[in-house]
Amino acid sequence: ETGVTQSPTHLIKTRGQQVTLRCSSQSGHNTVSWYQQALGQGPQFIFQYYREEENGRGNFPPRFSGLQFPNYSSELNVNALELDDSALYLCASSLASVTGTEAFFGQGTRLTVV
Amino acid sequence: QQQVKQSPQSLIVQKGGISIINCAYENTAFDYFPWYQQFPGKGPALLIAIRPDVSEKKEGRFTISFNKSAKQFSLHIMDSQPGDSATYFCAASRQGAQKLVFGQGTRLTINP
Repeated sequence: ETGVTQSPTHLIKTRGQQVTLRCSSQSGHNTVSWYQQALGQGPQFIFQYYREEENGRGNFPPRFSGLQFPNYSSELNVNALELDDSALYLCASSLASVTGTEAFFGQGTRLTVV
Repeated sequence: QQQVKQSPQSLIVQKGGISIINCAYENTAFDYFPWYQQFPGKGPALLIAIRPDVSEKKEGRFTISFNKSAKQFSLHIMDSQPGDSATYFCAASRQGAQKLVFGQGTRLTINP
């Protein structure tokens, strides 16, 4: 177990709705990254948060937004859900340093948009 | 633009055999190359990682070979076991663990 927990584990939403996914990072880690993993594909980087600020963003539209809290937990918000947003959403925590360190993933939230 | 290409897409190996998965990258600024193992319904789990200052890293039955000039790296699983059946992803990043770029994955099946 990595110590990274995500909630909920599964979620079904209707197209056009909004969703919030949550992540608790591993103890001692100050950086949280979010990834989208479509079925049969590798994870795609959405964005990263470091010390409550967005610190890099992938090729995702602004309706994907996030937050990081003082305890380093994080939320991913997706507005105006589209069918293509159906995927496994993964949170990864790490400890930012000059040389970097390993990123540890949670079990993911399976989002289905109908 | 796909920056990390992984092959093969699927692989079947007999128990006790050697499983080999290959990755090639384009961005020479990448300086961290991890491999992740993912079981169905689970998140990716870090298996082993290498930095470009070494050509090989071994941890138990898992070995990464790294060829900086060819911009390629590979995962070797020795004495493959049925429990190794999973999807494996290579990845690459700059400045350590920030923004991982993943390959497309290899579904490995170890036949008993």
